[in-house]
Amino acid sequence: ETGVTQSPTHLIKTRGQQVTLRCSSQSGHNTVSWYQQALGQGPQFIFQYYREEENGRGNFPPRFSGLQFPNYSSELNVNALELDDSALYLCASSLGGSTSYEQYFGPGTRLTVT
Amino acid sequence: DAKTTQPTSMDCAEGRAANLPCNHSTISGNEYVYWYRQIHSQGPQYIIHGLKNNETNEMASLIITEDRKSSTLILPHATLRDTAVYYCIVRPNYGGATNKLIFGTGTLLAVQP
Repeated sequence: ETGVTQSPTHLIKTRGQQVTLRCSSQSGHNTVSWYQQALGQGPQFIFQYYREEENGRGNFPPRFSGLQFPNYSSELNVNALELDDSALYLCASSLGGSTSYEQYFGPGTRLTVT
Repeated sequence: DAKTTQPTSMDCAEGRAANLPCNHSTISGNEYVYWYRQIHSQGPQYIIHGLKNNETNEMASLIITEDRKSSTLILPHATLRDTAVYYCIVRPNYGGATNKLIFGTGTLLAVQP
């Protein structure tokens, strides 16, 4: 079990609403990545934050945004929710700048958009 | 797109070795091979990674061919708890820049009692 935690565990939203998901990284890790995993698919990279700055982004529209705080915890915000946003959202923490780049994943937040 | 090819599913008898293959014929010289697994309803879990030498840790062994175009993850004594989707990923190992993981659909390993 990793030290990465995510909240909430499950969430149900209506199309058009906004949602904020939260992630606490493993102690000592300064990098947080967010992934979206649709049913039956592998996780897809959304973006990464390194020392509070966005440091790479996948093929996701601007309505997916994020923040990283001084304690390296992070938020994922999704505006104008669409039905296709229903997925498991995973965050992963790692120690950027080191020679060890294993990412440690949290248990995920299951988002359902109706 | 993922740079790896894996079988969709495999079965293994409990207590036997599970050998999971992965093809990565377009791997470049600075790319490492990483393996993660995802047990149902959990986040992916790091298993092992390597560049060109074989690697072993408490979870598994990684065998990389000499030309680095394919690799095999070996779970020496599979248990029911090893039932999971196993992902083979290639990526550069460098600091500061994005260390995103590009997942394919992985191999569903079913360990049978």
